[in-house]
Amino acid sequence: KAGVTQTPRYLIKTRGQQVTLSCSPISGHRSVSWYQQTPGQGLQFLFEYFSETQRNKGNFPGRFSGRQFSNSRSEMNVSTLELGDSALYLCASGARAGGETQYFGPGTRLLVL
Amino acid sequence: AQTVTQSQPEMSVQEAETVTLSCTYDTSESDYYLFWYKQPPSRQMILVIRQEAYKQQNATENRFSVNFQKAAKSFSLKISDSQLGDAAMYFCAYRTGGSGGSNYKLTFGKGTLLTVNP
Repeated sequence: KAGVTQTPRYLIKTRGQQVTLSCSPISGHRSVSWYQQTPGQGLQFLFEYFSETQRNKGNFPGRFSGRQFSNSRSEMNVSTLELGDSALYLCASGARAGGETQYFGPGTRLLVL
Repeated sequence: AQTVTQSQPEMSVQEAETVTLSCTYDTSESDYYLFWYKQPPSRQMILVIRQEAYKQQNATENRFSVNFQKAAKSFSLKISDSQLGDAAMYFCAYRTGGSGGSNYKLTFGKGTLLTVNP
């Protein structure tokens, strides 16, 4: 099976812009979670989607949002970008809601200037 | 809230030797899962090993094994016969085992950077 794919792999934006990141889970997986990874804060949970519904949300401002489509692909959107949003954004997929084992994609590296 | 602590920011090991990475966690739950993930310089996070809290037997995957001490809330990773390809950042992670709408997020430690010396 193909693994989790994320597009784009690299992105450069300026403050105030918005960005949309995409994640395609492993075939057959219906759960998609998003994490932000920074050197200072480490890995932090953003949100999880299952069957097009947001199941859980981490402690991030409302500028961070997401959605999941009927084919389980997920998008994450960040509006009004701030310098502190520069990070590696990782997507993970699981077979079930919460899916005990989550499998990660290669990530999208976002740089905000 | 659950917390995961990795007290060793960096570790090094000689090729073919054995190394143990430490992880402790704090939780009031009895049902949960623990994981070790590896993140090589290419940045792809890879699952190394998984342990269910209800299982007393320590998980093993080839050269990787864990020492799970539930009472002590300790979950260390042992890498035997270390190889150059084992060099990476290793993350310990916790996930609740609850059901029916529980928060299934992974809580990660800060990571341990493992260097393998030839």
